[in-house]
Amino acid sequence: GAGVSQSPSNKVTEKGKDVELRCDPISGHTALYWYRQSLGQGLEFLIYFQGNSAPDKSGLPSDRFSAERTGGSVSTLTIQRTQQEDSAVYLCASRGVTGSPLHFGNGTRLTVT
Amino acid sequence: TQLLEQSPQFLSIQEGENLTVYCNSSSVFSSLQWYRQEPGEGPVLLVTVVTGGEVKKLKRLTFQFGDARKDSSLHITAAQPGDTGLYLCAGFEGTTGNQFYFGTGTSLTVIP
Repeated sequence: GAGVSQSPSNKVTEKGKDVELRCDPISGHTALYWYRQSLGQGLEFLIYFQGNSAPDKSGLPSDRFSAERTGGSVSTLTIQRTQQEDSAVYLCASRGVTGSPLHFGNGTRLTVT
Repeated sequence: TQLLEQSPQFLSIQEGENLTVYCNSSSVFSSLQWYRQEPGEGPVLLVTVVTGGEVKKLKRLTFQFGDARKDSSLHITAAQPGDTGLYLCAGFEGTTGNQFYFGTGTSLTVIP
């Protein structure tokens, strides 16, 4: 597709369950970012992938969070043993060359009950 | 963590009024971007400023990058209901980590 695609758009899960969030970046974009956004707030950086380099995981809030990017394209963000404070919108973005702007997906709204 | 503070956090104005949103940091950035986000969607880029002191205009929106490349402002003239949304500034730090640091956001409501 032409834009960044994220799935699912909404996810409701019970506390303690694991969830996987998917991101399909724009074809050819080498960089991929995951952000978390609480209601109406700014974006909290989670993790950044660039080509085949080791990812920058400095924003992951705990070891329950992990992400991978297979084949330099699709990325999956996994949250294990979800907690209520994990409830937020998870946004994925990709970009082309260094310094070019981010292109965002519409996010996955995660609700942990 | 390089923090960008935006002010005001919330703004509700009447159609036709002017407004300015500020984005401030103690860090120097290679470039700074402004995004607008509508409910249920991801942020969409409005503009990128690169040079200290740079001014860019996008119809009724005027963006300025501070001389020291630490701060920026967004001025909207004659606001319209279609300007309603969450405005986010983002500083790009290109020398280490290639990270985008997002501001705290300004939620704008323009009342018809």
